[in-house]
Amino acid sequence: EDQVTQSPEALRLQEGESSSLNCSYTVSGLRGLFWYRQDPGKGPEFLFTLYSAGEEKEKERLKATLTKKESFLHITAPKPEDSATYLCAVQAEGSSNTGKLIFGQGTTLQVKP
Amino acid sequence: KAGVTQTPRYLIKTRGQQVTLSCSPISGHRSVSWYQQTPGQGLQFLFEYFSETQRNKGNFPGRFSGRQFSNSRSEMNVSTLELGDSALYLCASSLGQWNIQYFGAGTRLSVL
Repeated sequence: EDQVTQSPEALRLQEGESSSLNCSYTVSGLRGLFWYRQDPGKGPEFLFTLYSAGEEKEKERLKATLTKKESFLHITAPKPEDSATYLCAVQAEGSSNTGKLIFGQGTTLQVKP
Repeated sequence: KAGVTQTPRYLIKTRGQQVTLSCSPISGHRSVSWYQQTPGQGLQFLFEYFSETQRNKGNFPGRFSGRQFSNSRSEMNVSTLELGDSALYLCASSLGQWNIQYFGAGTRLSVL
């Protein structure tokens, strides 16, 4: 069964304290891995998509990496405005997976000033 | 350009009633997917529509249904509401069935 597990569930950081969020996945064939950010009361906001092992993407203080079994979202020198829930999702190969993302439970990040 | 628009933003219904939620995708997007988000289960896939046809369906009872119109707008319907249907319902649109999905703000449904 295709599955996504994120850790930790919650993370508290001081402003400027870098860290990483983990996303482990099990899929029959990976079509793509996606990172989203979700603020309270809002829908998920797209951050990155990764398609093959070794791929990396960066945006401001965020960097996403991908291996054959997991993805990391590295946050460098975070600011309070980076506080949110970060969601990882995968899309698997096959006609039965069109339009379907499988999500992890998310990591809730709190950055204190 | 305008994002994904979901209406209404909030709904309160009682058990046994039915509800219809609406989603207007980003202009030019032809695929619409629906998800249910709850604190316990997270985001779960409901179904996906592409070119007015349901192409994929998640593991939800038949009380959950949807449709897509020729302008790619989509609606989902839940009949005979149960307390457990209380959730945030999210719609996402994409250019095609394998492209990046962009989400709306969701409809918060409370069933009393």
